[in-house]
Amino acid sequence: NAGVTQTPKFQVLKTGQSMTLQCAQDMNHEYMSWYRQDPGMGLRLIHYSVGAGITDQGEVPNGYNVSRSTTEDFPLRLLSAAPSQTSVYFCASSYTRGPRGELFFGEGSRLTVL
Amino acid sequence: AQKVTQAQTEISVVEKEDVTLDCVYETRDTTYYLFWYKQPPSGELVFLIRRNSFDEQNEISGRYSWNFQKSTSSFNFTITASQVVDSAVYFCALSVGGAQKLVFGQGTRLTINP
Repeated sequence: NAGVTQTPKFQVLKTGQSMTLQCAQDMNHEYMSWYRQDPGMGLRLIHYSVGAGITDQGEVPNGYNVSRSTTEDFPLRLLSAAPSQTSVYFCASSYTRGPRGELFFGEGSRLTVL
Repeated sequence: AQKVTQAQTEISVVEKEDVTLDCVYETRDTTYYLFWYKQPPSGELVFLIRRNSFDEQNEISGRYSWNFQKSTSSFNFTITASQVVDSAVYFCALSVGGAQKLVFGQGTRLTINP
């Protein structure tokens, strides 16, 4: 059982480049989300989705785009990378869209923007 | 707005010592959930425990115990007889509302020295 799979694990971009972080889960979870982890700031929610075709913004959505065309996949797009987007990105899913569900996390994607 | 504070940035103890990680939260909602997650050196985040706002019973799981006190808005985590494998970053998190939007604390890096 793969759980939540993120690719790539590491990526280096130049300022202004675009890229997509892929996230897939095989647990048939309704809820999926993207967080970024920065030193001293914990994890902050970027975007989330409560089901296919439904997405919404989290705390720090600027500069990122998401879509949810299937239950399994929830890609995160960086439209024009900036050094401030250097971070570790985590995709997570949950069996419930409500506040009680624990999150299952991917292994993370470390992004460096030069 | 919701907020979670983990005042201890780093803790270092010698193996077999007991250690308590503090977590203080802020919310005006009466229904909410509190979580602890562990992030070992490998980087993935692992769910440890969930508590809802109506259940103030303390919980013990092996060497781990959690003390939830609504009167002080705290949800502290104690490891008894710590082991080197407990070395990790530990995050406290809060979830309220209709959709799951976890708010994380800054994390506490726990180092257990042999």
